[in-house]
Amino acid sequence: GAVVSQHPSRVICKSGTSVKIECRSLDFQATTMFWYRQFPKQSLMLMATSNEGSKATYEQGVEKDKFLINHASLTLSTLTVTSAHPEDSSFYICSARDSGPLNTGELFFGEGSRLTVL
Amino acid sequence: QKEVEQDPGPLSVPEGAIVSLNCTYSNSAFQYFMWYRQYSRKGPELLMYTYSSGNKEDGRFTAQVDKSSKYISLFIRDSQPSDSATYLCATYSGGYQKVTFGIGTKLQVIP
Repeated sequence: GAVVSQHPSRVICKSGTSVKIECRSLDFQATTMFWYRQFPKQSLMLMATSNEGSKATYEQGVEKDKFLINHASLTLSTLTVTSAHPEDSSFYICSARDSGPLNTGELFFGEGSRLTVL
Repeated sequence: QKEVEQDPGPLSVPEGAIVSLNCTYSNSAFQYFMWYRQYSRKGPELLMYTYSSGNKEDGRFTAQVDKSSKYISLFIRDSQPSDSATYLCATYSGGYQKVTFGIGTKLQVIP
């Protein structure tokens, strides 16, 4: 089945530094990728929709300058948490839909990246 | 009212039991329905993907959608300890519309 790879799976950083998380669709094209945040015992919270070749669409309440999203190719989207603070510590998960000729519309998730800001 | 309601559990069952997981939704525009399994500290894994009403079976898993009552179910037969995870229901109306998730039901299958 389709695979979405996310890296790194775990990152610890100091407060004030920036962290980049990569999301790759390994065997399909994805014009649209999604970035979620998940707090303990809560469901997935959509942060933004990443669109290949154009600006990301952010959900209400999500700071676009804080969470920079770049979707430079049909298989790669990156999320950069800028000037990270301890309250940014969370589990970040990306997902992608197959937008190729055999598009099934299924939404596949990466393994997630656990960010800890000290 | 949340668009998708799901009992967070936890739900504990003995090994071999039939498990029934359910969600209700409020938006009649939703057409596509998914069930995901999420192990602790991992990303969600797609289990079932269905369109409109009806049943879909895959091995020990059966997904059921009743659009008239806005009710979606996942049945797990012969449950195994390895099925212990959080199960999320999800739905969307189509195209590139936003997917709405339930809060997830934590399932524990006891050997």
